[in-house]
Amino acid sequence: EAQVTQNPRYLITVTGKKLTVTCSQNMNHEYMSWYRQDPGLGLRQIYYSMNVEVTDKGDVPEGYKVSRKEKRNFPLILESPSPNQTSLYFCASRDTSGSYYEQYFGPGTRLTVT
Amino acid sequence: QKEVEQDPGPLSVPEGAIVSLNCTYSNSAFQYFMWYRQYSRKGPELLMYTYSSGNKEDGRFTAQVDKSSKYISLFIRDSQPSDSATYLCATLGGFKTIFGAGTRLFVKA
Repeated sequence: EAQVTQNPRYLITVTGKKLTVTCSQNMNHEYMSWYRQDPGLGLRQIYYSMNVEVTDKGDVPEGYKVSRKEKRNFPLILESPSPNQTSLYFCASRDTSGSYYEQYFGPGTRLTVT
Repeated sequence: QKEVEQDPGPLSVPEGAIVSLNCTYSNSAFQYFMWYRQYSRKGPELLMYTYSSGNKEDGRFTAQVDKSSKYISLFIRDSQPSDSATYLCATLGGFKTIFGAGTRLFVKA
């Protein structure tokens, strides 16, 4: 089954404690991205990657890091989380040819930073 | 000004009603327009897309783009309780997908 997986699905942590949210896709997509979703603000892109070892900032990159060492994986790293990073996070992937307009989303990770 | 504007609602309608969801966008260069549906505790899924202007129909759903007014619409006929979800309009700016804020729809049985 074609899918994007994220782990963990729920996470409660404290300010300053480094964390990583993993993302993996099995569709051989080149393009992967991370979004955060907040009420009234919709989906805002944090970082994206066009391919292995190629990453770039989205609209709200402050406080986040990413890496793309393998095509299928795109982890999101919060080195020193703060309460304003409490949000619902989605990883997504997309083909860059054919029906490249369609993004496939993971199930989401709800993060609470206290 | 946001590139894609969407009223977050919520919108509550009785079962069987015709639902109209709308967005506006700012950049006349946008060509691809999508509607994603997001159920509670799930990620968004592509519902429909249109290229340039015009209508596209898929069962009870019709997507409409009016490029002259930069207006995107999604119509749902004979709405069902199972249509209760958040609907996000989106467009493509290069490789970047630009989303509206999403409209929460409740269809009451």
